[in-house]
Amino acid sequence: EAGVVQSPRYKIIEKKQPVAFWCNPISGHNTLYWYLQNLGQGPELLIRYENEEAVDDSQLPKDRFSAERLKGVDSTLKIQPAELGDSAVYLCASSSEGNEQFFGPGTRLTVL
Amino acid sequence: SQQGEEDPQALSIQEGENATMNCSYKTSINNLQWYRQNSGRGLVHLILIRSNEREKHSGRLRVTLDTSKKSSSLLITASRAADTASYFCAQGSGYSTLTFGKGTMLLVSP
Repeated sequence: EAGVVQSPRYKIIEKKQPVAFWCNPISGHNTLYWYLQNLGQGPELLIRYENEEAVDDSQLPKDRFSAERLKGVDSTLKIQPAELGDSAVYLCASSSEGNEQFFGPGTRLTVL
Repeated sequence: SQQGEEDPQALSIQEGENATMNCSYKTSINNLQWYRQNSGRGLVHLILIRSNEREKHSGRLRVTLDTSKKSSSLLITASRAADTASYFCAQGSGYSTLTFGKGTMLLVSP
């Protein structure tokens, strides 16, 4: 069974540029999560989807961050414009009916 | 915001020794989960203990939970070099919601 797939694995951009991350969850997992992980810290939830509905986006900085999961399968997280402080690892995870979360390898973003 | 705290922040032991990591949290939980993260990779789920459980085992892992003290511990017995990683506790509060701590970095030397 394929795990959670994320792309790209690494991204380097200049500040004020837009960037997008893509995630394909495990087949059949209705819940999808985007997390932000800073160096030396644990993951922090940005947004949680139940199928195509964003049910928890309270920690998503909506002035510059947006996300979508149009068909309730794969998802895209976008930052526009990126700031220096956005440099971090962006993790995607999925789960089925509230069980354990399975994480992808993450996208390491560097904003110069 | 992160609610949990792991202790110690870093732990260095020799192969064959046991490693104990502790986790404290602040709010009520449905469950407490432990995850492992190898350098540069995603997190891997290790074990889940529900709020009405006090102890759980999985292979070389032993987790305890004391809801009166709002704390949990993860014991890895007979550690191996491959156990070198960061370990995170995550509080499960409500449906599908996890709040992670800052993690403990474990180094197991051959």
